Amino acid sequence: KAGVTQTPRYLIKTRGQQVTLSCSPISGHRSVSWYQQTPGQGLQFLFEYFSETQRNKGNFPGRFSGRQFSNSRSEMNVSTLELGDSALYLCASSLMGGARGWGYTFGSGTRLTVV
Amino acid sequence: DAKTTQPNSMESNEEEPVHLPCNHSTISGTDYIHWYRQLPSQGPEYVIHGLTSNVNNRMASLAIAEDRKSSTLILHRATLRDAAVYYCIRANAGNMLTFGGGTRLMVKP
Repeated sequence: KAGVTQTPRYLIKTRGQQVTLSCSPISGHRSVSWYQQTPGQGLQFLFEYFSETQRNKGNFPGRFSGRQFSNSRSEMNVSTLELGDSALYLCASSLMGGARGWGYTFGSGTRLTVV
Repeated sequence: DAKTTQPNSMESNEEEPVHLPCNHSTISGTDYIHWYRQLPSQGPEYVIHGLTSNVNNRMASLAIAEDRKSSTLILHRATLRDAAVYYCIRANAGNMLTFGGGTRLMVKP
C-alpha cells in the first residue's frame, strides 16, 4: 500500500513569504500530525488533526497553522517566514492517533529553506 | 519542563546486542513509550512501543523500568542496516509526542 506522501520534497522561500506544505496519509488513516526537525531543536510536535479537527497543538507561534480535509489529506501553512523556520517538516499518519499504540507512519518530509 | 533524555551516540559491533537507554523521569502514568529510528533523508520509522510491561517484536525488545522513569531498547544482534538515529518518545493521551534528542548508533563490521 502507498505510504505517507509529502509534497513538495524541497522548497526555497524568501523571508516574509508564506508557504503551504501538503501531506497525503495512508488510506484509511484519520490522524495526521506534523513535526519540525532542526539540528538545534531536534524533532518538535507542531499539531495533530483528526477527522478535520485540530486535536492538539505544540508550542509554536500562530504563524504555523494547518488544516485537514474530508479525505484526511492535510496541509500546513507558515506565514511571514523567518530564517529560523528553515527545517525538515515531517508529517505522520495514524489510524486513530499513535499514542494508544497504533503507531505512526512518517513521510520523508519537506525540506524548507528560507533565505 | 518534562524531558526525555538519551545519549548522543553509541557504538556497537556487528552481530552483538545493543542496549539503548532513555530517561523519562517525569513520565505520567498514561504516557506510552515509543521508539523510532531515522535513516538519512528519511522520516522516522516505527520500532516498538509499550506502556508498562516489557515488549518484544521482530525488530527489537523494549524493557521498561518498574517505576517507568527509564526504558531500554534492545537490538539483539546489530547489523550494519541498524545504523541510524534512534529516538525515544513519550506519547501522551492526547497523541502529543515528545521526542528525546536521539542516539546515533554506529555499527562496526
